[in-house]
Amino acid sequence: GNSVTQMEGPVTLSEEAFLTINCTYTATGYPSLFWYVQYPGEGLQLLLKATKADDKGSNKGFEATYRKETTSFHLEKGSVQVSDSAVYFCALILTGGGNKLTFGTGTQLKVEL
Amino acid sequence: NAGVMQNPRHLVRRRGQEARLRCSPMKGHSHVYWYRQLPEEGLKFMVYLQKENIIDESGMPKERFSAEFPKEGPSILRIQQVVRGDSAAYFCASSPAVTQGRTEAFFGQGTRLTVV
Repeated sequence: GNSVTQMEGPVTLSEEAFLTINCTYTATGYPSLFWYVQYPGEGLQLLLKATKADDKGSNKGFEATYRKETTSFHLEKGSVQVSDSAVYFCALILTGGGNKLTFGTGTQLKVEL
Repeated sequence: NAGVMQNPRHLVRRRGQEARLRCSPMKGHSHVYWYRQLPEEGLKFMVYLQKENIIDESGMPKERFSAEFPKEGPSILRIQQVVRGDSAAYFCASSPAVTQGRTEAFFGQGTRLTVV
């Protein structure tokens, strides 16, 4: 079946530190890959996406590259801020699977001053 | 331009009661998805609907759960005879069309159901 595996949290960083949240996937076809962010008490917001191998999604200083050879889509940011504290979800959609998202379990990020 | 609206935000039900969760998609969106987030878990797909049609209900429990998206009005997720294990956050998402995963789905703020 299709699945997404994320590193467990919480991840606690100091402001301006480098962030990596690992995400790997298993899929029967060729998925599109996404990172969503959930701030406390809110719904999910799309952070970035990549629809084919070697694509790089980027937004608000976050980046992730679709690596087909390692089936990975790791999220990175060079310098985190306190306002980045949230839960981050990696997700995939299979081509031909409608818009049905398969999510990882989420990684909570806490950024401290 | 209002986003996806879910209500209520919080819902408390006693065991055996019915829960009705409502979702109004963004203006112009005709596709609605329901997801459930259990404590300490990610979101799990439940059902995908278009106006008056259920397209994919592969994630719906076989009993007690139903969903609809009528021609007029919001989408409704209905849970009959709730049990404690139904306690979760239920999220609705909508999209204007489906284009092989390239169409962004917009999420509501969720309904947090607590069964006591």
